[in-house]
Amino acid sequence: ELKVEQNPLFLSMQEGKNYTIYCNYSTTSDRLYWYRQDPGKSLESLFVLLSNGAVKQEGRLMASLDTKARLSTLHITAAVHDLSATYFCAVPTGNQFYFGTGTSLTVIP
Amino acid sequence: DAGITQSPRYKITETGRQVTLMCHQTWSHSYMFWYRQDLGHGLRLIYYSAAADITDKGEVPDGYVVSRSKTENFPLTLESATRSQTSVYFCASSEWTSGLEQYFGPGTRLTVT
Repeated sequence: ELKVEQNPLFLSMQEGKNYTIYCNYSTTSDRLYWYRQDPGKSLESLFVLLSNGAVKQEGRLMASLDTKARLSTLHITAAVHDLSATYFCAVPTGNQFYFGTGTSLTVIP
Repeated sequence: DAGITQSPRYKITETGRQVTLMCHQTWSHSYMFWYRQDLGHGLRLIYYSAAADITDKGEVPDGYVVSRSKTENFPLTLESATRSQTSVYFCASSEWTSGLEQYFGPGTRLTVT
């Protein structure tokens, strides 16, 4: 069974600051996905990383994948309140997807 | 409506009853998935389907049954509901051409009393 660990689990940060969320996984995978979930809502796809070294950016969020280290990072630049949500990484093995337990981000004005 | 829908959105049932959660997508995606979300566990895959009439177990399949006679529908049945199956259930669909990026339905909140 593939294990996916995110850290931190909870993150409170001030507006304008930078921070990184980490996603580690236990077995080989060449793909990784990041999702966002607002309270009481469904999940929304943020990034699809399909190869080693993949880097994708959207607004204040940038995700990267290092398949050799089995590590993905989600970097937040100059946080704003609208980024407050829970962020999940997901790693596939075959057609099965394993999700991390999520990082709950709160951006404080 | 285009997209992926789930019904019902909320359901309360009693222990031992059979419950079916419906999932419908309009994109003709090949892949469909059922997850449950519980505090402290993130999302866990229950069952998935790679195409009509092809289904396979995920991480936590016990107590659940699925079928997929049509590409667009993927119902999940709890044959005899237990309190441990109280959860939020999400259906998702995806396609290889988009790198298996998953599109999630709005969720069904199920309470078993």
